[in-house]
Amino acid sequence: EAGVAQSPRYKIIEKRQSVAFWCNPISGHATLYWYQQILGQGPKLLIQFQNNGVVDDSQLPKDRFSAERLKGVDSTLKIQPAKLEDSAVYLCASTPRGARNYEQYFGPGTRLTVT
Amino acid sequence: GQSLEQPSEVTAVEGAIVQINCTYQTSGFYGLSWYQQHDGGAPTFLSYNALDGLEETGRFSSFLSRSDSYGYLLLQELQMKDSASYFCAVRPIYSGNTPLVFGKGTRLSVIA
Repeated sequence: EAGVAQSPRYKIIEKRQSVAFWCNPISGHATLYWYQQILGQGPKLLIQFQNNGVVDDSQLPKDRFSAERLKGVDSTLKIQPAKLEDSAVYLCASTPRGARNYEQYFGPGTRLTVT
Repeated sequence: GQSLEQPSEVTAVEGAIVQINCTYQTSGFYGLSWYQQHDGGAPTFLSYNALDGLEETGRFSSFLSRSDSYGYLLLQELQMKDSASYFCAVRPIYSGNTPLVFGKGTRLSVIA
């Protein structure tokens, strides 16, 4: 089966600009996660969707970050405006319906550099 | 709150055995997971310990001791391709949804 797809793979923007990332999870996976991974650290959850509903967005900086999963399949994460500290890899992951979240399938990520 | 502690770097020789430790401070959690991540790559799931004891999957084994707040990942017959970062992760037990919390990772370098 195809894995989690993400695009773009790399993005360089200036601070205060906007950027959007796209994720297509594994077919049939109901739960979708967006993580931020800063260099040298583990992934940190930003938002979790179950189908098209938000389950957890407690660590999402809502003043600048937004995410949606309108049809319960693919998802977009947006940053507007970006700050220097947003430089990180943004990972998307998914899990099948009913599965525990300890086994997540990750995409290759989008490496964002904010200058 | 919860925190996971791992050594930042480990170096081992090809063909040897290496143990990557993970100690944690959390009031309760469902289980301990391990993920592998090569440079520039996606984290991939390796193993999960729901109960105390040893879980074996090929060359990799994982161990959990809740009474000692401690777990480890054991890699045997090391190969150069095992050079990667390894993360332990837990899902704390709170009311409602709880996300997977990752440690900072251990960078393993396998040398000839």
